[in-house]
Amino acid sequence: GQNIDQPTEMTATEGAIVQINCTYQTSGFNGLFWYQQHAGEAPTFLSYNVLDGLEEKGRFSSFLSRSKGYSYLLLKELQMKDSASYLCAVLDSNYQLIWGAGTKLIIKP
Amino acid sequence: NAGVTQTPKFRVLKTGQSMTLLCAQDMNHEYMYWYRQDPGMGLRLIHYSVGEGTTAKGEVPDGYNVSRLKKQNFLLGLESAAPSQTSVYFCATDLKEGHEQFFGPGTRLTVL
Repeated sequence: GQNIDQPTEMTATEGAIVQINCTYQTSGFNGLFWYQQHAGEAPTFLSYNVLDGLEEKGRFSSFLSRSKGYSYLLLKELQMKDSASYLCAVLDSNYQLIWGAGTKLIIKP
Repeated sequence: NAGVTQTPKFRVLKTGQSMTLLCAQDMNHEYMYWYRQDPGMGLRLIHYSVGEGTTAKGEVPDGYNVSRLKKQNFLLGLESAAPSQTSVYFCATDLKEGHEQFFGPGTRLTVL
């Protein structure tokens, strides 16, 4: 079966750095997405990786290793507004998105 | 531009009642999707459409029907609601498969 694993919850301090991991086992691979979802709101796109390596976008970076079935989202200089759930999703061989359950990130002052 | 909108935002149904959720987009996207989101689970695809007049089943289609008569609208129907269909329903669109998806604000449905 297809499976995406992420930690259920993480806590970090304002101004610090946090890394959210995602491991996947899917039927084929056509890319990996990270979305942010604030409580009670819709998911919004953060990043897309299809090749191995690090993609940097401001305070957020996303890394992919296809051989290990592994990705992480790195958030720097954490702000209170970063408190949200972070969803990892993989595009499988049929171009269907397979979603992880999400990681709830709690930022403490 | 409104982007992706969903109506209604909230709804409470009794078991056996029917209802239709409407998704509308002004982004001129071909692909549209209906997901449900339940606590502790990832988004699960119910049905999707790759263009006007076409629909296809996703991961959890049972108990739901869809129609895409116009490119900008994607309707999700519940013929006979069950408590197991209590969930938050999201509509999403993208320009083509494999691109980022844009989500509507969601519909919170409770079935008693």
